[in-house]
Amino acid sequence: AQSVAQPEDQVNVAEGNPLTVKCTYSVSGNPYLFWYVQYPNRGLQFLLKYITGDNLVKGSYGFEAEFNKSQTSFHLKKPSALVSDSALYFCAVRDTGGFKTIFGAGTRLFVKA
Amino acid sequence: DTAVSQTPKYLVTQMGNDKSIKCEQNLGHDTMYWYKQDSKKFLKIMFSYNNKELIINETVPNRFSPKSPDKAHLNLHINSLELGDSAVYFCASSPSDRGGWEKLFFGSGTQLSVL
Repeated sequence: AQSVAQPEDQVNVAEGNPLTVKCTYSVSGNPYLFWYVQYPNRGLQFLLKYITGDNLVKGSYGFEAEFNKSQTSFHLKKPSALVSDSALYFCAVRDTGGFKTIFGAGTRLFVKA
Repeated sequence: DTAVSQTPKYLVTQMGNDKSIKCEQNLGHDTMYWYKQDSKKFLKIMFSYNNKELIINETVPNRFSPKSPDKAHLNLHINSLELGDSAVYFCASSPSDRGGWEKLFFGSGTQLSVL
């Protein structure tokens, strides 16, 4: 069965510094990988996805993610963090032809001014 | 506005009551979902409908019953509410479920508190 792990409950970073939010996955077949962001009292919003092709995927709000098949990872990155990036970030996976999106436990990102 | 909208936003009720949450999407999507987010923010799928057909039915107590009158609506009815049902319930939709690569569009959630 497919699964997603986000090893960090919380990530703290200073504004202007680069940020990384980690995600590893386990899936049979080719993975479809996603990142979503949740702001307080809001639903999840899509950031980016990896289906196939270039291992570096660019998404909304300056975020990008790097797919690494050998390490089964899909880490979310941003070169320069903003205070407004503070939110809860979810990694998610669907396997090819699957019907379910499985979410990780979420990582809370705090960006300090 | 195009969106996934769910009502009510907040629902406070007593144990043993029956309640419903409604969801509507005007994005023209084929597939709709219910997710439950617990107090630790863990998000778990409950149900999914594709063109009014139930395609995902996770291990959820049968007190929970989804109903999809048409492609644009997916409601969730909960009988005999228990304290453990307290959570945020999210409705979501996607253009098509068959390929697996479509992103989800989420509603803003219904905060259910069972007293």
